[in-house]
Amino acid sequence: KQEVTQIPAALSVPEGENLVLNCSFTDSAIYNLQWFRQDPGKGLTSLLLIQSSQREQTSGRLNASLDKSSGRSTLYIAASQPGDSATYLCAVRNQAGTALIFGKGTTLSVSS
Amino acid sequence: GAVVSQHPSRVICKSGTSVKIECRSLDFQATTMFWYRQFPKQSLMLMATSNEGSKATYEQGVEKDKFLINHASLTLSTLTVTSAHPEDSSFYICSARDPTSEQYFGPGTRLTVT
Repeated sequence: KQEVTQIPAALSVPEGENLVLNCSFTDSAIYNLQWFRQDPGKGLTSLLLIQSSQREQTSGRLNASLDKSSGRSTLYIAASQPGDSATYLCAVRNQAGTALIFGKGTTLSVSS
Repeated sequence: GAVVSQHPSRVICKSGTSVKIECRSLDFQATTMFWYRQFPKQSLMLMATSNEGSKATYEQGVEKDKFLINHASLTLSTLTVTSAHPEDSSFYICSARDPTSEQYFGPGTRLTVT
């Protein structure tokens, strides 16, 4: 059964720092991997989607990498800002069209 | 982009009553919708897969008689929490799959059972 783990559970950094969030999954036979942002009490905002054949995706200050063989993904946030404070969720999809399996998330706090 | 709505966004109900949550795909047809539940400081856990015109598929440990799912049209799935108890208080989120297999999430429904 696929399990997704995110480390660390929480992270506090000063504004301007570059940071890395980690995600690991137990079954490397995934279809794709997706990173989301969730603000307190709110729904999900999709940040980046990486297909299993891809190694990374970039959007603005965000870069997500995927090492499928080792079952790992990282989300790199450059020059963090207070507005980046949120919970970041990693999720994998085992097959096309199936439900996402989520990690517990990393709660990020960026102080000004 | 595709939009999925949920209604209501927040609901408070008394213990023992039932509450219905709607999930709608506004600009595409969704043969499949997924229902997730999120407890405080926990991740989203898949509850069930809702397929238009057929019975929902429930994940292990989810009571199908308590969480009734109806997917009567290609744009609407409903989740009814029957005989709600305080432990059912949670954040319920749906996602809808479009014909290209992309999935889009609704904004969630906060259920509080008193």
